[in-house]
Amino acid sequence: ETGVTQTPRHLVMGMTNKKSLKCEQHLGHNAMYWYKQSAKKPLELMFVYNFKEQTENNSVPSRFSPECPNSSHLFLHLHTLQPEDSALYLCASSQDSSSSTEAFFGQGTRLTVV
Amino acid sequence: ILNVEQSPQSLHVQEGDSTNFTCSFPSSNFYALHWYRWETAKSPEALFVMTLNGDEKKKGRISATLNTKEGYSYLYIKGSQPEDSATYLCASMMDSSYKLIFGSGTRLLVRP
Repeated sequence: ETGVTQTPRHLVMGMTNKKSLKCEQHLGHNAMYWYKQSAKKPLELMFVYNFKEQTENNSVPSRFSPECPNSSHLFLHLHTLQPEDSALYLCASSQDSSSSTEAFFGQGTRLTVV
Repeated sequence: ILNVEQSPQSLHVQEGDSTNFTCSFPSSNFYALHWYRWETAKSPEALFVMTLNGDEKKKGRISATLNTKEGYSYLYIKGSQPEDSATYLCASMMDSSYKLIFGSGTRLLVRP
């Protein structure tokens, strides 16, 4: 148990659906992140939030829309996804985004787009 | 080197064997090097965060070294146990923006 909780663990959605992934941490961290792991590829950073402000968008398509209402919660809103967006989506948190302290990861949401 | 590279991709060892794997990363603008252990169906879990050239860190039977000038880090496991079976990821930070660039990982299987 890392202290970072993601829901749902598995999600199957159609290309016209709208869904949201949720991430929650109560570690007192100020930075939260979304990562994507596609099959046979390394973990890839998508978004960084530091003190609720987005500080990094790693050229992510607009069909992925993050939201960080407070330092403990992070959402990833999904709409009109493509089958190639099927992947494992991992949330992480750290003390803040400018230090080199370790990241704490959730268990991920396995997304399948049909 | 523009990417973070890890070798080998996978490794099968016998219980009790000692083993090591390599992480290569860009040496310019180096800020920090992270090692994570990722067991199947669990979350990646931090092993070490290393920042200083020549640094060596140890946690039980696992240790890591860092060479920032030539851009590599080694992870060592002494006397491997079946519970060490996991994917070991390294990630490089090139500045203070916390953009972690991950390698593809080394998948370790320890046979009883």
